Amino acid sequence: QVQLLQSGAEVKRPGASVKLSCKASGYTFTGYYVHWVRQAPGEGPEWMAWFNPNGGGTNYAQKFQGRVTMTRDTSTGTAYMELSRLTSDDTAVYYCARGRGYDASAYFDYWGPGTQVTVSS
Amino acid sequence: QSALTQPRSVSGSPGQSVTISCTGTSSDVGGYKYVSWYQKYPGKAPKLLIYDVDKRPSGVPDRFSGSKSGNTASLTISGLQAEDEADYLCCSYAARDTYVVFGGGTNLTVL
Repeated sequence: QVQLLQSGAEVKRPGASVKLSCKASGYTFTGYYVHWVRQAPGEGPEWMAWFNPNGGGTNYAQKFQGRVTMTRDTSTGTAYMELSRLTSDDTAVYYCARGRGYDASAYFDYWGPGTQVTVSS
Repeated sequence: QSALTQPRSVSGSPGQSVTISCTGTSSDVGGYKYVSWYQKYPGKAPKLLIYDVDKRPSGVPDRFSGSKSGNTASLTISGLQAEDEADYLCCSYAARDTYVVFGGGTNLTVL
């Protein structure tokens, strides 16, 4: 069955970077876009970026331009997202999700369990 | 502040129906037939309920239905059950700076 397994919780200082992983199984990793969505406490989800594992293409929401780097390891079916220059506003649960439908972004049929990232001095 | 507007909370009794609205603009909800809905329990990943406005993935009960009129999409849950008590998130394709936009979520209480 399709599964997205994410790395464990992180605690970071302001100004630091964090690198999250999302390991796909149960399907062809290169066949589907991977999206990153975060949800801060008490807020709705916020779309951050998508990554095309087949070729490495990326697209980011403007507010994350220059701070997000996405990579992948096709041998293990793992996608990575690194977020730099962290501030307390980046404290959130970060999800990876498989994109489907129009433009590979119309909906998300499988989600990872999420990774809690806490930014605190 | 979320791009799409949802009521913070709704409630209903077992067996009743509830409808959750999701209002956007002509650049997202109104401009595309790509609205999706997710059910989310605390501490769990979202689960896809509805995609492309009114389509249900296999395994989702037909008690859940979606629709859209203009810039507002709706999720209707009929025959409410206790296990439906959760948060419900709407999402729309936007194809601008932000490819995808979400609502703030609606908490459903089954009385």
